[in-house]
Amino acid sequence: AQKITQTQPGMFVQEKEAVTLDCTYDTSDPSYGLFWYKQPSSGEMIFLIYQGSYDQQNATEGRYSLNFQKARKSANLVISASQLGDSAMYFCAMSSYNFNKFYFGSGTKLNVKP
Amino acid sequence: NAGVTQTPKFRILKIGQSMTLQCTQDMNHNYMYWYRQDPGMGLKLIYYSVGAGITDKGEVPNGYNVSRSTTEDFPLRLELAAPSQTSVYFCASGSGGTDTQYFGPGTRLTVL
Repeated sequence: AQKITQTQPGMFVQEKEAVTLDCTYDTSDPSYGLFWYKQPSSGEMIFLIYQGSYDQQNATEGRYSLNFQKARKSANLVISASQLGDSAMYFCAMSSYNFNKFYFGSGTKLNVKP
Repeated sequence: NAGVTQTPKFRILKIGQSMTLQCTQDMNHNYMYWYRQDPGMGLKLIYYSVGAGITDKGEVPNGYNVSRSTTEDFPLRLELAAPSQTSVYFCASGSGGTDTQYFGPGTRLTVL
């Protein structure tokens, strides 16, 4: 069965420092997609970054990078140079091989301190 | 483009009432999804659709029904509302593949 696990309910980081949010997954699909979303206190879901299971290189989008370790089934999000506006809930998600279904983790609440 | 729109934004239902949550997208996406998000939790897939006339169950379909008569619209029907259905409901759409989903703003539903 597909499952996403985020073991850090909450984290603090100092402004301008880097932070890593952990995500591990379990799936029997031969291929899959891994996504990270940001949910600010206003409630909307904002897409951050995508990694395909067959992608050789780790995905990067601006200050976001995804540290993909396939053998360990982990897809950690790295945010460099944290900003106050990064304070939010962050969700890791995995798609089935045909992108019909998505599975979300329970989230990590990130607080950026000035 | 409006993207994904959802109505209503808020709703309070009494136990046993029924309602339909509306979702419309203007991006011509084939894939559409309904999720619920309980307080402090991640999203759980209720139903999904890969095109007009094609729907299927997600992780938590009990108590809900959907239809997809057009590419644009994907309404979610709650029959006999129960307190356990108190949640925030998100509709999303996407083109499948490596493209992400685009989420609506959500509907906050309370069942008393």
